[in-house]
Amino acid sequence: GQQLNQSPQSMFIQEGEDVSMNCTSSSIFNTWLWYKQDPGEGPVLLIALYKAGELTSNGRLTAQFGITRKDSFLNISASIPSDVGIYFCSGGQNFVFGPGTRLSVLP
Amino acid sequence: GAVVSQHPSWVICKSGTSVKIECRSLDFQATTMFWYRQFPKQSLMLMATSNEGSKATYEQGVEKDKFLINHASLTLSTLTVTSAHPEDSSFYICSARVAGVYEQYFGPGTRLTVT
Repeated sequence: GQQLNQSPQSMFIQEGEDVSMNCTSSSIFNTWLWYKQDPGEGPVLLIALYKAGELTSNGRLTAQFGITRKDSFLNISASIPSDVGIYFCSGGQNFVFGPGTRLSVLP
Repeated sequence: GAVVSQHPSWVICKSGTSVKIECRSLDFQATTMFWYRQFPKQSLMLMATSNEGSKATYEQGVEKDKFLINHASLTLSTLTVTSAHPEDSSFYICSARVAGVYEQYFGPGTRLTVT
């Protein structure tokens, strides 16, 4: 089946730094979705992308739908402690999730 | 808007018993609901997809006779883990979507522990 890869697997950053992570697939997707999961809770939708090349922001978060339709990027600017969590990408049409990027923010 | 609830939030049961988990969309009608399973430090694994009034579609490797899914209405889906065993202990998360979009809205999850 279709598989998603995310990198990096984990990252430790200082508060205030910018963060960049990506998601890739061997298959083409029509939709890219980014979610964040806090410990012991269900994921929360951050950004939805529906068009190749699309760049969408949600506060300090910005995500892009790669023009090849096989990848997507998520950037977080000026990280804060509450950004800690696991970030998952999902290629919309098959509702499966990537392995996640675990973000830790050091004060 | 787009709130999904799950009940119970956690449950402990004895091996061999059955457990039912409810998933409700509180402020919208969900044409499709999904059930995921998540082990510690791992991603979400899709177990099954269900549409209201239809039989659920199970992912490869998921035993449909063990994980019974009922999607009785546009706002309620249930997952019953039958004859539970310790290896069924996990975090079960449901999600819901409306027709025409791929965005999913997740419940808070149910932690199942089988002793």
